[in-house]
Amino acid sequence: EPEVTQTPSHQVTQMGQEVILRCVPISNHLYFYWYRQILGQKVEFLVSFYNNEISEKSEIFDDQFSVERPDGSNFTLKIRSTKLEDSAMYFCASSGRDNQPQHFGDGTRLSIL
Amino acid sequence: AQKVTQAQTEISVVEKEDVTLDCVYETRDTTYYLFWYKQPPSGELVFLIRRNSFDEQNEISGRYSWNFQKSTSSFNFTITASQVVDSAVYFCALSGIGGANSKLTFGKGITLSVRP
Repeated sequence: EPEVTQTPSHQVTQMGQEVILRCVPISNHLYFYWYRQILGQKVEFLVSFYNNEISEKSEIFDDQFSVERPDGSNFTLKIRSTKLEDSAMYFCASSGRDNQPQHFGDGTRLSIL
Repeated sequence: AQKVTQAQTEISVVEKEDVTLDCVYETRDTTYYLFWYKQPPSGELVFLIRRNSFDEQNEISGRYSWNFQKSTSSFNFTITASQVVDSAVYFCALSGIGGANSKLTFGKGITLSVRP
């Protein structure tokens, strides 16, 4: 069964550094999402992306964050200058059509030191 | 604004017991989707079910069943004859239908521990 792939599984970064989290959505999917989960807390929506542009973003998704679909397969989340509070699990998700269930990757655990 | 409340934070049962996980939601949308996801200790999110607000029929899938009651804005999840492998965090989630409404709003999750 096709799946969403995220790399790396764990990223350790110094505070203030830029980090790029990578996702390969399911190949025929058109809608892409990023969510984050701070340890022990609920999963929170960050941003949705369709047709090469952001559809919606949450208040968490400030100017430090950006998303890109640089080619036909990857979907990336960049955090420009990381802060301690960015430490979390970041999940990528994709869906094939509007209103289809979102399929999640296994997540990238980001640890900011 | 959408909101999902999972009032239970932790539940512990002995194997083979039945357990019900509660979910209450708030939305101004007239049409919406409700979901349950499972997060095992390994951390991934596993999709379990999606239910359209138009469809209030209860659903059963093996040991899992879901009770959707629009009148009380609830979407409860029952595991029958629980097993140790059911130990996980379970999230209820809500989304609108279409376009920018399709983001998921999650509850805080319920940690289920099934003891042998």
